[in-house]
Amino acid sequence: GESVGLHLPTLSVQEGDNSIINCAYSNSASDYFIWYKQESGKGPQFIIDIRSNMDKRQGQRVTVLLNKTVKHLSLQIAATQPGDSAVYFCADLSNTGNQFYFGTGTSLTVIP
Amino acid sequence: GAGVSQSPRYKVAKRGQDVALRCDPISGHVSLFWYQQALGQGPEFLTYFQNEAQLDKSGLPSDRFFAERPEGSVSTLKIQRTQQEDSAVYLCASSLGRRFGTGELFFGEGSRLTVL
Repeated sequence: GESVGLHLPTLSVQEGDNSIINCAYSNSASDYFIWYKQESGKGPQFIIDIRSNMDKRQGQRVTVLLNKTVKHLSLQIAATQPGDSAVYFCADLSNTGNQFYFGTGTSLTVIP
Repeated sequence: GAGVSQSPRYKVAKRGQDVALRCDPISGHVSLFWYQQALGQGPEFLTYFQNEAQLDKSGLPSDRFFAERPEGSVSTLKIQRTQQEDSAVYLCASSLGRRFGTGELFFGEGSRLTVL
């Protein structure tokens, strides 16, 4: 079955440093991936997406890298700020295209 | 509306009670999803609507769970004879199109259900 997992459940970084959050997926047929940020008491918020025909995509202060060979996804946040503290989920689109499978999440804490 | 709206935000139910959770998606959004999020876990898919049609309900954990979207806009998730294991945050999300990759899911803030 599908599984999307995260390597580290928690991550603490100093303000201003770069953060890297990793994610492994199991379905080699997954072709669309999204990173979400979820703050306490709120719903997940879209950060960035990437299709399987790309290996890198950049947004504002964020970069997503996709390695299809080892089925690995990462989210890089540049110059991490206190407002980046949240739980980050990767999600991949199922074969049927009806649902996203979410990982357990990584809790990022930014230390001022 | 400006975003996906869910109500109630918090619901406490006694075991065995029925509950109804409401979702108002973004106006014009064709696709609507319900997810269940247990504490410390990622959201898990429950069901998917395209307009008023429920195209996928494979994630509903039991026949006590029922969802509808009769006019293709507002959706209601109903849980009958609630059990303690139903305690979770129920997230609703909507998307503009029928196919993914054309835009992300917009999530509401969720309805937190606690069953005593």
